[in-house]
Amino acid sequence: DIQMTQSPSSLSASVGDRVTITCRTSQSISNYLHWYQQKRGKAPQLLIYTTSSLQSGVPSRFSGSGSGTDFTLTISSLQPEDFATYFCQQSHSTPPTFGQGTKVEIK
Amino acid sequence: QVLLVESGGGVVQPGRSLRLSCAGSAFTFSSYAMHWVRQAPGKGLEWVAVISFDGSNKFYGDSVRGRFTISRDNSRNTLYLQMSSLKTEDTAVYYCARERDPLDWSFDLWGRGTLVTVSS
Repeated sequence: DIQMTQSPSSLSASVGDRVTITCRTSQSISNYLHWYQQKRGKAPQLLIYTTSSLQSGVPSRFSGSGSGTDFTLTISSLQPEDFATYFCQQSHSTPPTFGQGTKVEIK
Repeated sequence: QVLLVESGGGVVQPGRSLRLSCAGSAFTFSSYAMHWVRQAPGKGLEWVAVISFDGSNKFYGDSVRGRFTISRDNSRNTLYLQMSSLKTEDTAVYYCARERDPLDWSFDLWGRGTLVTVSS
């Protein structure tokens, strides 16, 4: 299975901050990397698919980049509703695997 | 409203069985592959199984293969997960998820989940 390593595991930030979350995979996955947001007690929501494509309805302050084994999710200006846990997921190989999550907390 | 709603969770003893259901509404259910993904309490996400849009192809994660069976009834817009020989480590919230595109296996619609607790 492809191993996913997200960093950091948690971070504290203020409203308006630029936030960057990194996901590293144990082998190259081309662009088959997706990002989800999960709020406490809720189902995950797709933010970004295939590295950099913004899911419909997701604010443009979210963006993704990367290729191969290193990927990044960026929130350009953190908003109150963005405090949540973020997961990356690869779909290059079966089984699809997820990162362990990055919890974004209020500073 | 486009929706997935899971049901069937509960408390079950180790070794017993349970069947989960996931009802889709307001979209063409029969056009989409569907997945089950689970999340143990306080843990990350683990992919469980997938079924193709017509039910002809199924794949499972290593931890459930041989014990769980995924199926669907497109006439009822419903996805199922039959879980047998349950173990304590199967305790999790189980989500059904819609595959956005068969080329990329991202999940663009999730249910709210149903909690399965395996305990004696």
